[in-house]
Amino acid sequence: EADIYQTPRYLVIGTGKKITLECSQTMGHDKMYWYQQDPGMELHLIHYSYGVNSTEKGDLSSESTVSRIRTEHFPLTLESARPSHTSQYLCASSKISYNEQFFGPGTRLTVL
Amino acid sequence: GDSVTQMEGPVTLSEEAFLTINCTYTATGYPSLFWYVQYPGEGLQLLLKATKADDKGSNKGFEATYRKETTSFHLEKGSVQVSDSAVYFCALSDTGAGSYQLTFGKGTKLSVIP
Repeated sequence: EADIYQTPRYLVIGTGKKITLECSQTMGHDKMYWYQQDPGMELHLIHYSYGVNSTEKGDLSSESTVSRIRTEHFPLTLESARPSHTSQYLCASSKISYNEQFFGPGTRLTVL
Repeated sequence: GDSVTQMEGPVTLSEEAFLTINCTYTATGYPSLFWYVQYPGEGLQLLLKATKADDKGSNKGFEATYRKETTSFHLEKGSVQVSDSAVYFCALSDTGAGSYQLTFGKGTKLSVIP
């Protein structure tokens, strides 16, 4: 079944830890995105990718980094987590010249 | 730049009430318009879309009509159910800009009480 997956769904960690949020899709989509969703529910685009070896920063500045080594995989990394990184992170994907995006279930990150 | 403005929530309705969530937009090109829904603890799902003026998108009893003259795409449902409790996002994609990125509104939280 074609889908988009995120792991872990929930993560609680201490300050200073390095973390990687995983996102994978089996839909063969070229474009992938990371959004940060604040407690007020507003969505902010933090990273996107047009395909393998392509990464771009989004509208909201973020201390996280991303990589795109395989089409289906778009992990997000925080080298040193801080309480200000506490948020919900949503991954999405779409076809290259198509505007409908498909979203994963999200990772809720809490940094103590 | 492109922007989407939707009515602020939260909105609380009784079951079987009529729902309207207002959405207006600003775009430089010819946008496609979307409504996404986010149920508690989940990611966003596409609810409906419209790609040109006067198109009506519909799904699960929800409807929205693309009104170019008023730059609006209001979401409506004739009779809401408790299961419709969720956050609703209006969004646009300005295909004329070539990027196919989505611009989202801030979301409207709907609570339906029995």
